[in-house]
Amino acid sequence: EAQVTQNPRYLITVTGKKLTVTCSQNMNHEYMSWYRQDPGLGLRQIYYSMNVEVTDKGDVPEGYKVSRKEKRNFPLILESPSPNQTSLYFCASSYRVVGELFFGEGSRLTVL
Amino acid sequence: AQSVAQPEDQVNVAEGNPLTVKCTYSVSGNPYLFWYVQYPNRGLQFLLKYITGDNLVKGSYGFEAEFNKSQTSFHLKKPSALVSDSALYFCAVRDMNRDDKIIFGKGTRLHILP
Repeated sequence: EAQVTQNPRYLITVTGKKLTVTCSQNMNHEYMSWYRQDPGLGLRQIYYSMNVEVTDKGDVPEGYKVSRKEKRNFPLILESPSPNQTSLYFCASSYRVVGELFFGEGSRLTVL
Repeated sequence: AQSVAQPEDQVNVAEGNPLTVKCTYSVSGNPYLFWYVQYPNRGLQFLLKYITGDNLVKGSYGFEAEFNKSQTSFHLKKPSALVSDSALYFCAVRDMNRDDKIIFGKGTRLHILP
């Protein structure tokens, strides 16, 4: 089954404790992206990747890091989480250009 | 700059009536336009897309959307609403000349009243 898998789905952590949200897709998509969803703000792009070893900042990259060492994986790293990073995070992937995005089920992160 | 606007935060429609969820866009090149739906506690699901060709695009669950280049709009429509259509709907645009950027609107919450 074609899918994008994110883990963990739910996480409560404390300020400053490094965490990683994993994302994996099994569709051989070149393009992968991370979004955060906040009430009233819709989806905002954090980082994206056009292919292996190619990543770039989206609209709200501060406080986040990503890597794309393999085509299927695109982890999101919060080196020192802060309460303003409490949000619902989505990973998505697609074929280049005309492709629609396939989304993971989301990871709800709470930073205390 | 690339942008998408969904002018209505919420749309209420009686079951069985036609529904429209509005979307307007701005891109420098030719647009690729998408609609997605989000049900509670789920990720976004693709509904339909416009790439080129016929301005009326048909998608999943009986939805369709009309691309209007002169009005830079891509409104989502359905002839007869179902209660199960109640969800959060997002319009998105991808610039053909800059396929790295995909911009989403803020979303419109659709309530179908029984």
